[in-house]
Amino acid sequence: DTEVTQTPKHLVMGMTNKKSLKCEQHMGHRAMYWYKQKAKKPPELMFVYSYEKLSINESVPSRFSPECPNSSLLNLHLHALQPEDSALYLCASSQEKRGGSYEQYFGPGTRLTVT
Amino acid sequence: AQSVTQLDSQVPVFEEAPVELRCNYSSSVSVYLFWYVQYPNQGLQLLLKYLSGSTLVKGINGFEAEFNKSQTSFHLRKPSVHISDTAEYFCAVKRTSGSRLTFGEGTQLTVNP
Repeated sequence: DTEVTQTPKHLVMGMTNKKSLKCEQHMGHRAMYWYKQKAKKPPELMFVYSYEKLSINESVPSRFSPECPNSSLLNLHLHALQPEDSALYLCASSQEKRGGSYEQYFGPGTRLTVT
Repeated sequence: AQSVTQLDSQVPVFEEAPVELRCNYSSSVSVYLFWYVQYPNQGLQLLLKYLSGSTLVKGINGFEAEFNKSQTSFHLRKPSVHISDTAEYFCAVKRTSGSRLTFGEGTQLTVNP
């Protein structure tokens, strides 16, 4: 099973709202990722968690707040977003190995629209 | 740092024709190479990967790719495409150490009847 699940599938929120995106995997992967993807562009890395600890933050604005409650779950908390934050948000996971990781498996994404 | 160049942004082909999507990479260290496919309004699906060993890699849906270290290329091929292969294809590279994937800009494959 190479499935990564994400909820919700679609989300519309106002600029003053607080919402959360959720991601789950049961492959025993210890690395999890958040990406942002704009139309017709490749995914852009936002955050990486390794063994439930934040290992990479790509200078993402503080209105995006990641959380990794356990090895299977990854959340992205959203607050005071801007219209330009509208995008497809993808979660991914990978098996860790010594000094790095292998291939990443992606979820179906959450289509976020900020109004 | 690594970089990936997908040489064609759009590739139109007719159904049952062969197709090659080209990918060149640049890296000063050993890398892993991947091809992902993205259908409209979906996430990325791993088509195939090169980690080590045989340079000819077979993936899902009848796709294959060949790793050429001297030409730093990892071209994706399929001998006969279907309408359902219409999608965006991303080539990606990752250092053998580390977690960061570097993507190419993508190639839109459109299969026409």
